[in-house]
Amino acid sequence: EPEVTQTPSHQVTQMGQEVILRCVPISNHLYFYWYRQILGQKVEFLVSFYNNEISEKSEIFDDQFSVERPDGSNFTLKIRSTKLEDSAMYFCASKADHQDYNEQFFGPGTRLTVL
Amino acid sequence: SQQGEEDPQALSIQEGENATMNCSYKTSINNLQWYRQNSGRGLVHLILIRSNEREKHSGRLRVTLDTSKKSSSLLITASRAADTASYFCATDARFANNNDMRFGAGTRLTVKP
Repeated sequence: EPEVTQTPSHQVTQMGQEVILRCVPISNHLYFYWYRQILGQKVEFLVSFYNNEISEKSEIFDDQFSVERPDGSNFTLKIRSTKLEDSAMYFCASKADHQDYNEQFFGPGTRLTVL
Repeated sequence: SQQGEEDPQALSIQEGENATMNCSYKTSINNLQWYRQNSGRGLVHLILIRSNEREKHSGRLRVTLDTSKKSSSLLITASRAADTASYFCATDARFANNNDMRFGAGTRLTVKP
C-alpha cells in the first residue's frame, strides 16, 4: 500500500540553525500539507501546497518557514533559523484530489529537537 | 476556528469495556475524520465520515455524526490493551479550497489489561 514517508525520523539542531525536513508524498497525490505537534499538544496546521504554490498557511507559518517541491517527488519544509519553540513533531500529509471524501494520508513524522 | 474538540481529555477503562470519545466542532464541514496516535508516533487514519452520513462502522469502531449539534462520537467496542493511544478528531472546511485538517486536542485512552 502506498504511504507517505518522511526523513529524518529525528533531527537535533542548535538554535539559529537551518533545518530541512523532507517528505515523499504518495505519488499520484496533488495536495500536500505540513502540520506540527508540540509535545503533549494538538496537531496544528502549518501550510498547504497545490500546483507548485502555497494555497493556505496558518499564523504559525511565518517568514522563517518555507516549503518547496523541488523535483516532483519530494516536498520539503525549511526552517531558516530555528528557535527553541520550534521543537515538535512535524507531519507531512498528502491527498489525492479535492474530493471531500478523500482522506489525508500522514507520514510518520519527524521529531525536531532544537537545543 | 473550526477545530475539533474532544472530550474527555483522558479516559481509563478495563480491557473488554467499551470506550466512547466525543468531538465537537464549530463550523460546517465536508467530512470528519478520526485518527489514532501511539505515544510519540505518527497519525493513523481510522475512519472518515462524510457530512451527509450519520453513522459508520469499521470493525470494532463505530462513528456517529450529528451535524445539527456539530458533534461526533467514536465508540471502540470490546477494548484491548493495544487500543491504548490518543484519539483525535479532525475536520475539514466546507467551501475551503484546500481541505486542510483542523485537529482537536485529543482523548488519551488507557486500556488496562
